[in-house]
Order: sequence, then structure tokens, then C-alpha cells
Amino acid sequence: ETGVTQSPTHLIKTRGQQVTLRCSSQSGHNTVSWYQQALGQGPQFIFQYYREEENGRGNFPPRFSGLQFPNYSSELNVNALELDDSALYLCASSATGVSTGELFFGEGSRLTVL
Amino acid sequence: AQSVTQLGSHVSVSEGALVLLRCNYSSSVPPYLFWYVQYPNQGLQLLLKYTSAATLVKGINGFEAEFKKSETSFHLTKPSAHMSDAAEYFCAVSASNTGNQFYFGTGTSLTVIP
Repeated sequence: ETGVTQSPTHLIKTRGQQVTLRCSSQSGHNTVSWYQQALGQGPQFIFQYYREEENGRGNFPPRFSGLQFPNYSSELNVNALELDDSALYLCASSATGVSTGELFFGEGSRLTVL
Repeated sequence: AQSVTQLGSHVSVSEGALVLLRCNYSSSVPPYLFWYVQYPNQGLQLLLKYTSAATLVKGINGFEAEFKKSETSFHLTKPSAHMSDAAEYFCAVSASNTGNQFYFGTGTSLTVIP
């Protein structure tokens, strides 16, 4: 069984640039969620995708956007990067669309914005 | 609305001593509660979950947690700490009316002293 994989693992960008992070969900999982974890903080929900549609969004501005593909993999795009966007971005997949399902996390993409 | 409060951002215990990590939740509907562990430079791994079945939940690596509705608590315990338990621990809550959005606490860093 293949777990959740994310790429790239580390990247450095400058303010104003755009970034795309990628995630492959665990085999058999159809739901992907993205979380932002700032240094010393708990993960914060960005949004979730289910059947290629956004299925819930946290308190993040529209410059945070995403996609889910037919194979359930997903992308997180962030435009007009700001210094505060520096964080670990975690992708999590789950098997169903209900909240009782546990989340399976990847190891994250660490973004540094200079 | 759902939220989680983890009391104590840092906890130190001696090897072999009891581990107690505190989590209090707020939820307007019956909650689903989770404990995750995060080792350095890794994603989050599920330790255990409560989804309205038995109030005492057993997880991996000897950890357990008890759901106490009257105290709105879900504290994590382990009878005897091991050096390998040193990590960051996150409590999280979700609910049937939040879709798959998980609300995480700010985490507790556990240090095990030899």
C-alpha cells in the first residue's frame, strides 16, 4: 500500500512569486485535504477536495487554490507569495467524505519565502 | 464551532514515568477526537481516535486516551515513557457538521529524560 507522497520536500521562493505543491493520495483514498503548519503551531485547514470538487475551505485568501485530478492526486497553488506563507504544507488523504475518517498525512513540503 | 486547547506546550518526563498530555475540546455537536504524533521533519501519524464508541480508546505504542464529556477532555496517557516517545503531539477535533475539517491544537512537545 503506497502512502501519501508530496513534492517537492523543500523549496525557497521570493515574495510575489507563485508556487505549486503536489500530492499523491494513499491508494484507495478519494479525498485530499491541505493543511498549513507554521513553525511551532498546529496544522490549519486550507481546503479539501472530494471527487475533483472543493469540499470545504478554511480561512485562507483566494490566492490559495487547488485542484484534484481523476486519479485523486492534488495540487496546491499559492499566488503572490508573502513572507507569512513560509510554513510546512501538509497533504492528507482519507477514504471517505465523512469526518469520522482519520487523515493520513504525507511528510510535507517546507516552503520558505524570502 | 469546534476548537481544541492543549495545556502545556512542553512536557518533560523521566524514562519509565507516566506520560500525561492534556487536551480539552469545544464542540457544538458530538465530536470526533484524534491524537496525532509528529516526529522531526515528518508528517503526522495517527495514535488513536474516538468516534463515539468506547470512551477509553487504546492506540499504538502503548498510548490510550479517555473521552470525558462532562469535562470536555480527551487526555493522552502512557504508563511508562520510552525515549522513542519524544516527539510533538497534536490533539484534533472534527464533527459531523464540519465535513472533513480537522481543528488541531497547538501541540505539546514531549521530552523524555534518560
